[in-house]
Amino acid sequence: TQLLEQSPQFLSIQEGENLTVYCNSSSVFSSLQWYRQEPGEGPVLLVTVVTGGEVKKLKRLTFQFGDARKDSSLHITAAQPGDTGLYLCAGGTGANNLFFGTGTRLTVIP
Amino acid sequence: KAGVTQTPRYLIKTRGQQVTLSCSPISGHRSVSWYQQTPGQGLQFLFEYFSETQRNKGNFPGRFSGRQFSNSRSEMNVSTLELGDSALYLCASSLAGPPYNEQFFGPGTRLTVL
Repeated sequence: TQLLEQSPQFLSIQEGENLTVYCNSSSVFSSLQWYRQEPGEGPVLLVTVVTGGEVKKLKRLTFQFGDARKDSSLHITAAQPGDTGLYLCAGGTGANNLFFGTGTRLTVIP
Repeated sequence: KAGVTQTPRYLIKTRGQQVTLSCSPISGHRSVSWYQQTPGQGLQFLFEYFSETQRNKGNFPGRFSGRQFSNSRSEMNVSTLELGDSALYLCASSLAGPPYNEQFFGPGTRLTVL
């Protein structure tokens, strides 16, 4: 079983602050996705990275895939209350199923 | 384009009963995967169906089963329910397989076993 550890598990910050969430594994993945999930809903795909060292930006969110394709990070600049939610990383393999990380619950206080 | 839909959204059952959950994927998506989400274990993969065939299976007991129909709609069944089966059951559909593995999730079915 490929394990993905996310840190921190919980994060509570003030509006306008920056933050970074980490996703680490000892396994190599062919792709890495980040999802955000709000209470009572399913995860919503934010980004997919497939190349080691790849960096993708989505407005105030920056995603990076590690060179060895074993880890990833999500950086949010100037967090807003609308960023509140459960952030999940997920690793893809040769099969069409995902191994999900342990999750980071982010709360942005206005 | 309509997203993934799941029915019912909420379900309450008692131990020993069985339950069937339904999922309609995004139009054109032929792969449907099922996941179980609990506070303690997080999101865990149950199984994946593609063109009516189970293509991948996670590490769950045989009480958990599924099927896919010719229109790509899928159902999962849990027999002899246990208290520990209480969870959010998520269905996801995908168009492209590896290496992108992008999956699109429905809102889930919240199952409570009493």
